Amino acid sequence: GQQVMQIPQYQHVQEGEDFTTYCNSSTTLSNIQWYKQRPGGHPVFLIQLVKSGEVKKQKRLTFQFGEAKKNSSLHITATQTTDVGTYFCAHNTGTASKLTFGTGTRLQVTL
Amino acid sequence: DGGITQSPKYLFRKEGQNVTLSCEQNLNHDAMYWYRQDPGQGLRLIYYSQIVNDFQKGDIAEGYSVSREKKESFPLTVTSAQKNPTAFYLCASSSPGTGRHYGYTFGSGTRLTVV
Repeated sequence: GQQVMQIPQYQHVQEGEDFTTYCNSSTTLSNIQWYKQRPGGHPVFLIQLVKSGEVKKQKRLTFQFGEAKKNSSLHITATQTTDVGTYFCAHNTGTASKLTFGTGTRLQVTL
Repeated sequence: DGGITQSPKYLFRKEGQNVTLSCEQNLNHDAMYWYRQDPGQGLRLIYYSQIVNDFQKGDIAEGYSVSREKKESFPLTVTSAQKNPTAFYLCASSSPGTGRHYGYTFGSGTRLTVV
């Protein structure tokens, strides 16, 4: 399936700083899902966005789906050490339930 | 509590041997999936099954085989034909519903090393 690119590949921030990862596609996406994978762990589903321009918040996390449905972002306000991990975006192709995952952004947070 | 159980957590295999990874879910999910993750990499789809007794190849199916005889179980066999099997294998499930997509629930994974 078509792969979406995530930038940056890696980011190192100090605790309290903000963080944003971007997910970009060359084609229109039907939806975007976001997952978090802690070091040594497995991906955990965070959220799904479906509508053009949709914005959803979960405490310090803000998720956006672009107006053209070709890009998405995840913004974390005032990072904490518990935010450490790799963040993946993913999308469905057509009507199939299978997901194609992005390349991931690894976040490191230090005190 | 409902969830997905993968076993074993760590597996060592000699070259030329087949090995089967177990994946069991009690979430009553219709669809199940196998992904492979290499160090520092994303997830690549090996096989998926949307219903019992049916499955489809993903992007990297060569050297792998699956079965889906029961709704709860989706075992993955890594055959000797897989040239570079050392990786982290993740099983997932979801309950798609008609015309809608839902987030996956992942198992804790199996780390396979070929020695």
